[in-house]
Parts: sequence; C-alpha cells; structure tokens
Amino acid sequence: QKEVEQNSGPLSVPEGAIASLNCTYSDRVSQSFFWYRQYSGKSPELIMSIYSNGDKEDGRFTAQLNKASQYVSLLIRDSQPSDSATYLCALTSRRANNLFFGTGTRLTVIP
Amino acid sequence: DTGVSQDPRHKITKRGQNVTFRCDPISEHNRLYWYRQTLGQGPEFLTYFQNEAQLEKSRLLSDRFSAERPKGSFSTLEIQRTEQGDSAMYLCASSLQQGNSPLHFGNGTRLTVT
Repeated sequence: QKEVEQNSGPLSVPEGAIASLNCTYSDRVSQSFFWYRQYSGKSPELIMSIYSNGDKEDGRFTAQLNKASQYVSLLIRDSQPSDSATYLCALTSRRANNLFFGTGTRLTVIP
Repeated sequence: DTGVSQDPRHKITKRGQNVTFRCDPISEHNRLYWYRQTLGQGPEFLTYFQNEAQLEKSRLLSDRFSAERPKGSFSTLEIQRTEQGDSAMYLCASSLQQGNSPLHFGNGTRLTVT
C-alpha cells in the first residue's frame, strides 16, 4: 500500500465552483500534512499546511484533516482558470524526516 | 531572490556519461533534500542532508547516484554511467530543522538521457 493515495483525476470544475481534492494515507503516525500546487513543467509550490484535526482556511483554500479516518482534503472556493494545475498531497511521519508525496490530482477549471 | 536555486535547468546527455547537478538552498535552511519526479508521478525521495551530514538515503537510490553537501551550504548530485531510465526532473528542496517545517523547492533540473 502506498504511503499517500490520491485520485489522479483529471478533475474538471467550472469557473466559480468549489473544487474538492482528496487524499488518504496509510501510516497512522503521520504528523504533518501539506498541499502543493504544481503547474506543468514547474516545481511544486506550497499552498497549505495542516497539523491538527479540523479545518484550516487561507483565502480561497481550506484544508481539512481527519486523523481518525486518515484523510486530508483541500477545497478551493471560487475556482479560477489559474487554479488549473496538479495538486500534490504530502506528509511527514515520525519514521522518517522526508516528505512523502502522492501522485497528484490534475485539476482543470473550465472558463 | 532568496529561493532555492538549481543549476543547470536542463541537461541532455548520452547514455553512459556522468552528470552533476548543483543546488543552493535558502540560506537559513539547514536541511536539504533531493527528489526525482517522472511524468505523472509525485516527487520521489532520494536523499536528505542536515547541514553537511547525509542522514537518509532512499533504498531506491542506486550506487550510481551520489550526493554531497561539503560545507553545509550548496549540494551536488552526481549520476554516474547514466541510463535512459534516469531521465526525470531532479528537484532540490530545503527547509528549517523543525519537524513541521515545509519544504521549499527549486525549479528543478530536467535530465534527458539519449
């Protein structure tokens, strides 16, 4: 079983809609969770981090973490065409000092 | 700009040649990571340094790969006797030492082995 699982998509939403991206993980001792955005041909860019259960909001982005269900999600409100990118879920665990990434979900926002 | 810097941006080499990439991390970051990413996949961990010490290496990292960070500042990643399967984007990232610190990535070096 992979450390981090994401639906590879593609996920298409109309402009102005809410995009919902989901991620599950296998290691219960996972500690810190991150969402990165990656445009085609570019490097990953950090957009959100979350460390405790519940919701964390930053502008149009909301990260949600449920450690009991081993589930983390990212909501993008009022989606814009510029949000079209691949979104990578990543986490750290007590077992290692590096970041484990999912395969990413490709999001397309249709004007 | 004080972000993570990688050089070169692109490298095309013939199979069997050696290549070396350089990474300059954010100056106050003492952790430095190398990742590899292929099309349609997430970044895959290769190795990580804390200051000049290489603390972790992926089991997937073959003996042809070696990384150094001699003075705890910049790092180099060398691939010897390149193979076509080494073609990928090589990403460097840095972070502070605290466990929750996020990684900040450079623009990557795209390697093509012909």
